[in-house]
Amino acid sequence: GENVEQHPSTLSVQEGDSAVIKCTYSDSASNYFPWYKQELGKGPQLIIDIRSNVGEKKDQRIAVTLNKTAKHFSLHITETQPEDSAVYFCAASFKTDKLIFGTGTRLQVFP
Amino acid sequence: NAGVTQTPKFQVLKTGQSMTLQCAQDMNHNSMYWYRQDPGMGLRLIYYSASEGTTDKGEVPNGYNVSRLNKREFSLRLESAAPSQTSVYFCASSPRNSNQPQHFGDGTRLSIL
Repeated sequence: GENVEQHPSTLSVQEGDSAVIKCTYSDSASNYFPWYKQELGKGPQLIIDIRSNVGEKKDQRIAVTLNKTAKHFSLHITETQPEDSAVYFCAASFKTDKLIFGTGTRLQVFP
Repeated sequence: NAGVTQTPKFQVLKTGQSMTLQCAQDMNHNSMYWYRQDPGMGLRLIYYSASEGTTDKGEVPNGYNVSRLNKREFSLRLESAAPSQTSVYFCASSPRNSNQPQHFGDGTRLSIL
């Protein structure tokens, strides 16, 4: 069945360092891969997404890479700041009906 | 622009009680979704509605029912609440299907005693 694995479950970095979160998906037909940031007491918010016809996408300090052959995609945050502290979720589309989410990564950025 | 609005924000129920969680979006989106979020398990899809007039089961539909009342509103009903349904429930919408960004509400925190 459809499945998205996400690692690590927790990640602690020093302010200014980079953070990398990795996800793998099971359905080779998946073609849309969003990343969400969830702050305490709030709903998830989209921060970046990538489609299967693109290998990499960047938006300021955030980038996402996709390896379709390996069914693997990653979120990269550079020059981390304390306000980047949150829970991050990856997701992959399944058919056109739904998203399957990873189990989340709690990122802590220490000043 | 409110986006996705969920009511109530918090609720405590006793086992066996029924309740309806309300969700409304003002973005003219076609698709709407209900998820539950439990510690360590991410977001799991309960039900979704690809368009007005249609609903389909997600990963964890047992114990729930939904109604797509109109294009704006999608409600989730617990007919006989169980402690295992204690969770945070999120509603989301997307313009056409899940190959487009989903916009989430801020959740309903539900405790069942």
